[in-house]
Amino acid sequence: GAVVSQHPSRVICKSGTSVKIECRSLDFQATTMFWYRQFPKQSLMLMATSNEGSKATYEQGVEKDKFLINHASLTLSTLTVTSAHPEDSSFYICSAYRRFGDNEQFFGPGTRLTVL
Amino acid sequence: GESVGLHLPTLSVQEGDNSIINCAYSNSASDYFIWYKQESGKGPQFIIDIRSNMDKRQGQRVTVLLNKTVKHLSLQIAATQPGDSAVYFCAENIQNYGQNFVFGPGTRLSVLP
Repeated sequence: GAVVSQHPSRVICKSGTSVKIECRSLDFQATTMFWYRQFPKQSLMLMATSNEGSKATYEQGVEKDKFLINHASLTLSTLTVTSAHPEDSSFYICSAYRRFGDNEQFFGPGTRLTVL
Repeated sequence: GESVGLHLPTLSVQEGDNSIINCAYSNSASDYFIWYKQESGKGPQFIIDIRSNMDKRQGQRVTVLLNKTVKHLSLQIAATQPGDSAVYFCAENIQNYGQNFVFGPGTRLSVLP
């Protein structure tokens, strides 16, 4: 199966700092990647759709200036949480899309962000 | 519409029993569905999928049933094992419309020894 990695797996930062999370598709090219946020005991909430070479599409209520997404290559998308605050603490998960027969999404292992 | 995060319902089953996890999906136009398993602190893992032209699909120890009339999906796990303990999500998609999947609220499965 396709492999998607995320780095870092866990990060703790001070309030006001920025944090960058990387999402890589290791063995296939992904023109589209998705970023999700998951709070404890809740489902995955789509934040934005990242398309290689173009601007990301953000879901309603997600601040694009706070959650900067860059999809510079077919195997890498980055999410930068700018000026992080404690309420941004969450589990961030990316997925990479591939259409091979059916629409398929392959998920990364997630990044646990804790903002102090 | 998007799934809304709610507190997870929990299903507790005895080891060795069969489990049935249910999901009501939102969009009658959805034609492709996936069940994911998510263990604590990890990303979702693909379990099994089904297209809307089918009402049943079987995998290894798992069966997915689709009832389009009532927009209902179920995941059956046979002979539930401790390693099956996780949160299970259904996700829906419209194949020719977009790449995005909408996730259900999830169900936590606890396997009792």
